[in-house]
Amino acid sequence: NAGVTQTPKFQVLKTGQSMTLQCAQDMNHEYMSWYRQDPGMGLRLIHYSVGAGITDQGEVPNGYNVSRSTTEDFPLRLLSAAPSQTSVYFCATSDKSRGTEAFFGQGTRLTVV
Amino acid sequence: LAKTTQPISMDSYEGQEVNITCSHNNIATNDYITWYQQFPSQGPRFIIQGYKTKVTNEVASLFIPADRKSSTLSLPRVSLSDTAVYYCLVGFNSGGYQKVTFGTGTKLQVIP
Repeated sequence: NAGVTQTPKFQVLKTGQSMTLQCAQDMNHEYMSWYRQDPGMGLRLIHYSVGAGITDQGEVPNGYNVSRSTTEDFPLRLLSAAPSQTSVYFCATSDKSRGTEAFFGQGTRLTVV
Repeated sequence: LAKTTQPISMDSYEGQEVNITCSHNNIATNDYITWYQQFPSQGPRFIIQGYKTKVTNEVASLFIPADRKSSTLSLPRVSLSDTAVYYCLVGFNSGGYQKVTFGTGTKLQVIP
């Protein structure tokens, strides 16, 4: 039972490149979300999903796309990487019956040069 | 979404009880109060959640006064491994997705 798995753990991109951050969960949770965390800051919500086929924007969605074709997977796409997107990205899942309790992955550290 | 305010940092000696207070003056009726712990290079980990009065689990207690405008996370007899950032969140889950806002957290340093 792996919980929430994020890949890759580290990534370096050049400005303008695109990539997809993967998030997979085996907890059968309806809710999934993506956050970014900049140095010394709290987490900011990028996008979230309340179920397969349903996504919505969070606090800082610009430059990112998401889709949710299955319950298990919630990939985050960077369309054209910019240095401002250098950050640590966390994926989280939660169950609608558990209030605001969420389970986070280990994070992807992304550097855009 | 309710905004939270908590101390930027705290120091404590090993074995002491640590209380971290969070202010959330504009908390809404449906909002729950949740605390997370985050170690360097790891994702946040859920500690405890409450709505009113007192909640206790195996790692912490959460005290919420009647007006719910603040809350206090209590960690009994801290050890060096409790050195981490602690986040107080206020948000709701009414059947739709709960949008919660993470503040900058409280950096707890436990001293030997």
